[in-house]
Amino acid sequence: QVQLQESGPGLVKPSETLSLTCTVSGGSISNFFWTWIRQPPGKGLEWIGSIYYSGSTDYSPSLKSRVTISVDTSKNHFSLKLSSVTAADTAVYYCARHQGVGAHFQHWGQGTLVTVSS
Amino acid sequence: SYVLTQPPSVSVAPGKTARITCGGNNIGTKNVHWYQQKPGQAPVLVIYSDIDRPSGISERFSGSNSGNTATLTISRVEADDEADYYCHVWDSTYDPLYVFGPGTTVTVL
Repeated sequence: QVQLQESGPGLVKPSETLSLTCTVSGGSISNFFWTWIRQPPGKGLEWIGSIYYSGSTDYSPSLKSRVTISVDTSKNHFSLKLSSVTAADTAVYYCARHQGVGAHFQHWGQGTLVTVSS
Repeated sequence: SYVLTQPPSVSVAPGKTARITCGGNNIGTKNVHWYQQKPGQAPVLVIYSDIDRPSGISERFSGSNSGNTATLTISRVEADDEADYYCHVWDSTYDPLYVFGPGTTVTVL
């Protein structure tokens, strides 16, 4: 059974860059789409962006200017970088896997809370 | 952007049926997916492509989609069904591509 695990700093200072990695185990990163989703405390889910294992990406327009998602097939992981963070970026960040463009998010990581604060 | 609407909350007695709606313009033409999220946990897929149930999900969960409304139905509600439920669609003609509804909190009385 595939498992996803987010990792990265839990505290980031305002104006700095948030960096997270999602490590995939129990299956290959190849031939799937991989997505980052976030959830501010007490609020709903927000799609950040997706990447195909080949490297092609789609980003939410509201975050596009600050987001970079990349994939490393040799390490079986993919990553999120969000620059110039503010308190509004404080959220639980989830990584997820889906079979194709537009498909449901079948597998999720447990999520990691990132707090933006000085 | 494509907008989805959900009732903020639904209350239901044990053993009864809960229906959670997800509204959107011509949503019946799109594939709708549903996730259950309990406090402190990651979302879990309960219905995909309108009506399909992943393995391991109770048959008490079912879905439908027509016109401007998709519906998640939970039959014979149990205390363990108490959670937030989110609908989700994808549409290549809109940006963002992937959209979630605001979520519905199901309370079991």
